[in-house]
Amino acid sequence: GNSVTQMEGPVTLSEEAFLTINCTYTATGYPSLFWYVQYPGEGLQLLLKATKADDKGSNKGFEATYRKETTSFHLEKGSVQVSDSAVYFCALSGSGTSYGKLTFGQGTILTVHP
Amino acid sequence: EAQVTQNPRYLITVTGKKLTVTCSQNMNHEYMSWYRQDPGLGLRQIYYSMNVEVTDKGDVPEGYKVSRKEKRNFPLILESPSPNQTSLYFCASSSRLAGEFRGELFFGEGSRLTVL
Repeated sequence: GNSVTQMEGPVTLSEEAFLTINCTYTATGYPSLFWYVQYPGEGLQLLLKATKADDKGSNKGFEATYRKETTSFHLEKGSVQVSDSAVYFCALSGSGTSYGKLTFGQGTILTVHP
Repeated sequence: EAQVTQNPRYLITVTGKKLTVTCSQNMNHEYMSWYRQDPGLGLRQIYYSMNVEVTDKGDVPEGYKVSRKEKRNFPLILESPSPNQTSLYFCASSSRLAGEFRGELFFGEGSRLTVL
């Protein structure tokens, strides 16, 4: 079946540091890929998405590129802020027999210090 | 305001006592789904529904039931809760653009369930 693996956290950075959170996936067919963010005490929110190979999703300074050859969708931001402290989830939307099923990674806790 | 509303937000119950967690969305979304979130495991899909009267199992459906009699509501039923169902539960919904499910979910705020 489909699976998503994220780099282990937690990740602790100083404000204005560069962020990378690694995400790799295993899936059949042509999944869509997502990053969701969960702020403390809240539900998840969609951060960005990519629906086909080589697509780049971007939002709020975050970027991720759908790399089919390496089955990866790493999240990056050039300069993090304290307000970016949250849990980040990589996810894929299945195709074919997995259509309608969303598979999430285990989540990466990001803490940004002033 | 567009939202997904879950109730109750917090519940402590005992083993075997049937309970229902309600979920309602006001965005006219066709797709709805339930997830549970456990430390170190991320979110795991319990059930999902592509439309009224259509439901399918996710990855961890055991011990849960759902129904989709109306478009806006998708209740999660635990017929005989057990301690291993202690978790944080999220309901989510999504539109289907031109009939296609795109995976862009709107989440509720979560329901924290403790089974003693």
